[in-house]
Amino acid sequence: QKEVEQNSGPLSVPEGAIASLNCTYSDRVSQSFFWYRQYSGKSPELIMSIYSNGDKEDGRFTAQLNKASQYVSLLIRDSQPSDSATYLCAVNTQMYSGGGADGLTFGKGTHLIIQP
Amino acid sequence: ETGVTQTPRHLVMGMTNKKSLKCEQHLGHNAMYWYKQSAKKPLELMFVYSLEERVENNSVPSRFSPECPNSSHLFLHLHTLQPEDSALYLCASSGSPGTSGGPGDTQYFGPGTRLTVL
Repeated sequence: QKEVEQNSGPLSVPEGAIASLNCTYSDRVSQSFFWYRQYSGKSPELIMSIYSNGDKEDGRFTAQLNKASQYVSLLIRDSQPSDSATYLCAVNTQMYSGGGADGLTFGKGTHLIIQP
Repeated sequence: ETGVTQTPRHLVMGMTNKKSLKCEQHLGHNAMYWYKQSAKKPLELMFVYSLEERVENNSVPSRFSPECPNSSHLFLHLHTLQPEDSALYLCASSGSPGTSGGPGDTQYFGPGTRLTVL
């Protein structure tokens, strides 16, 4: 059973501070890693994707990947109240050996609260 | 219409009803997906279609039946559902025209259908 684990939280962070979200995954052959943000009652929206070991930065967001440790993280700098949401970690799940589109395996999500 | 749309947005049905969920993507993608999101459980992949060919997910009960008539439309036919099937059903799409898609393709989600089975 391929799994993605996240701390469900809630994670409470003061406004302006750095929020750090973590995720581990079980499938060593996974190649693609995604962070989605989901507001209550809404559908997930992509924040970051990462495919290679190391850091990837996009504005206030930095994704970090360590395939040896099977670990992915998301840092949010200068946290804003609008960042309060559930953050979902997702990993590609190869459905069949012929290649092509993969489904995603999601973690349960981390509920982040930014305190004004 | 832009992005991924889903209808209806809300659906209440009895256990003996038959209904269908519809998804349409306006992004030129070649792969489409159905996911289920239940309370306190992670998003669960149900079905994948790549270039209109279905990749089975054997853990999905047969009371859920997908259909992909073309690369822009995806349906989920529902019959004799159980109350535990109540959930948010999300459609997503990914990929580039003319390709079978790849593991790195970003999936874009529709707004979902909130299903309640009485």
